[in-house]
Amino acid sequence: AQSVTQLGSHVSVSEGALVLLRCNYSSSVPPYLFWYVQYPNQGLQLLLKYTSAATLVKGINGFEAEFKKSETSFHLTKPSAHMSDAAEYFCAVSVSNAGKSTFGDGTTLTVKP
Amino acid sequence: ETGVTQSPTHLIKTRGQQVTLRCSSQSGHNTVSWYQQALGQGPQFIFQYYREEENGRGNFPPRFSGLQFPNYSSELNVNALELDDSALYLCASSFSSGTSGSRETQYFGPGTRLLVL
Repeated sequence: AQSVTQLGSHVSVSEGALVLLRCNYSSSVPPYLFWYVQYPNQGLQLLLKYTSAATLVKGINGFEAEFKKSETSFHLTKPSAHMSDAAEYFCAVSVSNAGKSTFGDGTTLTVKP
Repeated sequence: ETGVTQSPTHLIKTRGQQVTLRCSSQSGHNTVSWYQQALGQGPQFIFQYYREEENGRGNFPPRFSGLQFPNYSSELNVNALELDDSALYLCASSFSSGTSGSRETQYFGPGTRLLVL
């Protein structure tokens, strides 16, 4: 079985500041890992995914994440926050099939002007 | 826009009733997964369909059932609705080459918000 823990249900940053959203996973086999963003009243959009290739994964909108097996982490970062980044972010893990992912409870990102 | 549509967008039902939610997959996608997202939580996997057959189920009771059609549209049916079934229901489509697994990106629809009174 796999699980995901997102540390911090709410994160607030100033516009232009570093964004760091934390995700730790548990999996008995090598996992696939995903970050999704959800804007109000919308579905989820994939930001990036790790599928056992490069450990540093670059995604859309300037986001990236690093897979660290020793720390069982897959934290999401962005060097400079923009107002449009304000949304809910979900980390997810899958061991075989992206369509059977286990999601964390999400982190709400607020960006202050 | 992901090319995945869901209907209806909102729905209000009473406890004990039955509901059918619909999803139209992105063109060429043969796999659909359904998720339940309660308020303030992440999505929970309900089940997946691959080429019209159920291909895995999460921890949901049998009153949650589904169908996938030859054109790869799909339905989620919930019988004997309970108050705790109130949630956003999301479908996600993807292309898989087999039942064993796929790393292919899944594309989510906007969801159907169900309220059970």
